[in-house]
Amino acid sequence: LAKTTQPISMDSYEGQEVNITCSHNNIATNDYITWYQQFPSQGPRFIIQGYKTKVTNEVASLFIPADRKSSTLSLPRVSLSDTAVYYCLVGPTSNTGKLIFGQGTTLQVKP
Amino acid sequence: GAVVSQHPSWVICKSGTSVKIECRSLDFQATTMFWYRQFPKQSLMLMATSNEGSKATYEQGVEKDKFLINHASLTLSTLTVTSAHPEDSSFYICSAHTLLQGAGTEAFFGQGTRLTVV
Repeated sequence: LAKTTQPISMDSYEGQEVNITCSHNNIATNDYITWYQQFPSQGPRFIIQGYKTKVTNEVASLFIPADRKSSTLSLPRVSLSDTAVYYCLVGPTSNTGKLIFGQGTTLQVKP
Repeated sequence: GAVVSQHPSWVICKSGTSVKIECRSLDFQATTMFWYRQFPKQSLMLMATSNEGSKATYEQGVEKDKFLINHASLTLSTLTVTSAHPEDSSFYICSAHTLLQGAGTEAFFGQGTRLTVV
């Protein structure tokens, strides 16, 4: 499973766009990139998943360059409730494949 | 979306006793479930992979005789912490995956169980 590197923490203000970049230099051909959000004392929650280029859903966008060695999670116009830990995971997708979590990025949104 | 439910949400037990945590997939079948533990301000650490109808697969360094896993049905996996000690106090989380339309998978996590051993 490819190792990921993310910033330990980030600060932002309400209404700003936040971009969190994840490095995964050893990503394999059949690996997908997935981001999860975790609030204190809760299980992680799926945010977005992609393989290449750009993926967008109702909460975030995921930008993946052509070499796939990094990815950027973009959160538009964050609010205080987006304060959480964000994890980038890389690996093959299957319903039996295990997930290995890195350290994650603690995002603090300030008023 | 799919729901994974854990029970209990929190439990306090005395040293030396055993505690069972349940993880249920409420609206889908999960042949495989995963168990994690998380210490304060740390990331999730995978403990084991629970396989329906067969033995669990434990990660290196996780004592299989201490953390007993049973996956007797397609919707239920249990983790029993045996002879619990204060150092076992942690946040335990389970998960199961479903396949996304087209490609990829999504992992659904339980709400977690806060275990405190006194």
